[in-house]
Amino acid sequence: DIQLTQSPSSVSASVGDTVTLTCRASQDIIWLVWYQHKPGRAPNFLMSAAASSQGGVPSRFAAGGSGTEFFLTISGLQAEDFATYYCQQPNWFPLTFGGGTKVE
Amino acid sequence: EVRLVESGGGLVQPGESLRLSCAASGFTFSDHWMNWVRQTPGKGLEWVASVKSDGSQTYYVDSVKGRFTISRDNAKNSLFLQMTSLRGEDTAVYYCARDPGPGGIGWYYFDSWGQGVLVTVSS
Repeated sequence: DIQLTQSPSSVSASVGDTVTLTCRASQDIIWLVWYQHKPGRAPNFLMSAAASSQGGVPSRFAAGGSGTEFFLTISGLQAEDFATYYCQQPNWFPLTFGGGTKVE
Repeated sequence: EVRLVESGGGLVQPGESLRLSCAASGFTFSDHWMNWVRQTPGKGLEWVASVKSDGSQTYYVDSVKGRFTISRDNAKNSLFLQMTSLRGEDTAVYYCARDPGPGGIGWYYFDSWGQGVLVTVSS
């Protein structure tokens, strides 16, 4: 099984800050995706690390990486961005998620 | 607009069974793989099971193999999760989630989610 490790587990930030979230895979993968999850709401698909942009996602979100190291950067945090972010690998079954990074 | 509405959750005792349903609308249900994903209390997301667009293939996380069965009724735009021999560690919010891959192709991630249904396993 492919294990995904997200770091940090939480990050304290303010509106306007730039934060970079990391997702490390236990073996090389082709791509992974990112979700945003707010308490009491359904998770929201953000973007894939293989895409330079994703329709409907603000341009302040950027994803990238390759092999075993992937990132999600939020440039200029907005109030609505405070949430938990999960990475997920769609390469192999069992599909797996990282443990999440809470942006607070 | 894609809409996924789960039902069937509740409180059950260890060892009992429960069947979750997901009513889908706003897209051609039979064209998409479908999935169940859960979030245990205070923890992260865990993929549970996937079913191919025509129901011919299914995949499960190891912890539920032999106890859970994912199925679908394309004529009724419905997804199901039959859960048996439930354990305390199955307590979670269960989400129905759509795979965005078109024409029956699996892309193996989730672009639309329901609001979730709570399953509590406790004596």
